[in-house]
Amino acid sequence: KAGVTQTPRYLIKTRGQQVTLSCSPISGHRSVSWYQQTPGQGLQFLFEYFSETQRNKGNFPGRFSGRQFSNSRSEMNVSTLELGDSALYLCASSPGDLETQYFGPGTRLLVL
Amino acid sequence: DQQVKQNSPSLSVQEGRISILNCDYTNSMFDYFLWYKKYPAEGPTFLISISSIKDKNEDGRFTVFLNKSAKHLSLHIVPSQPGDSAVYFCAARGGTYKYIFGTGTRLKVLA
Repeated sequence: KAGVTQTPRYLIKTRGQQVTLSCSPISGHRSVSWYQQTPGQGLQFLFEYFSETQRNKGNFPGRFSGRQFSNSRSEMNVSTLELGDSALYLCASSPGDLETQYFGPGTRLLVL
Repeated sequence: DQQVKQNSPSLSVQEGRISILNCDYTNSMFDYFLWYKKYPAEGPTFLISISSIKDKNEDGRFTVFLNKSAKHLSLHIVPSQPGDSAVYFCAARGGTYKYIFGTGTRLKVLA
């Protein structure tokens, strides 16, 4: 089975712009979670989707949003980018409820 | 509030010796714990997990120990190999479809 894929792998934006990141989960996986990784902060949970419904959300401002499509693919959007949004954004999928998550390679976002 | 803590940012171990990575948590409601390994420019890779009803789980060279009374988790790698050099994250299932990760420990295995 193909693993979790994320596009693009690298992105450079300027402050105030918006960005959309994409994640394709492992075939058959219905749960998709998003995380932000910054140096010294570990992986911070953004949100989790299951069957197109957001089931949980982390402590991030409303500028961070996401959605999931009927084929389980997910997108994450960040509006009005700030310098502090520079990070590695990771997507993880799992077959169903609360099972082990499998991560994609991440999208590295740099905000100038 | 950091509910899952990895207090050692880095660890160096000689090849062939044991590596012990530690993780502490604060929420007694956590019921499932995982360890992930991460190489640069890659996403984290699942290593091993343990349910709160157990105190030990083994998979080859990797063993995870859970001490619920101390709210402490550890990963033992025996014997350590240079290819084990990576950043290791522990994670706890925080209920409601959410995992909480520690900040990671960078392991360096010296040949």
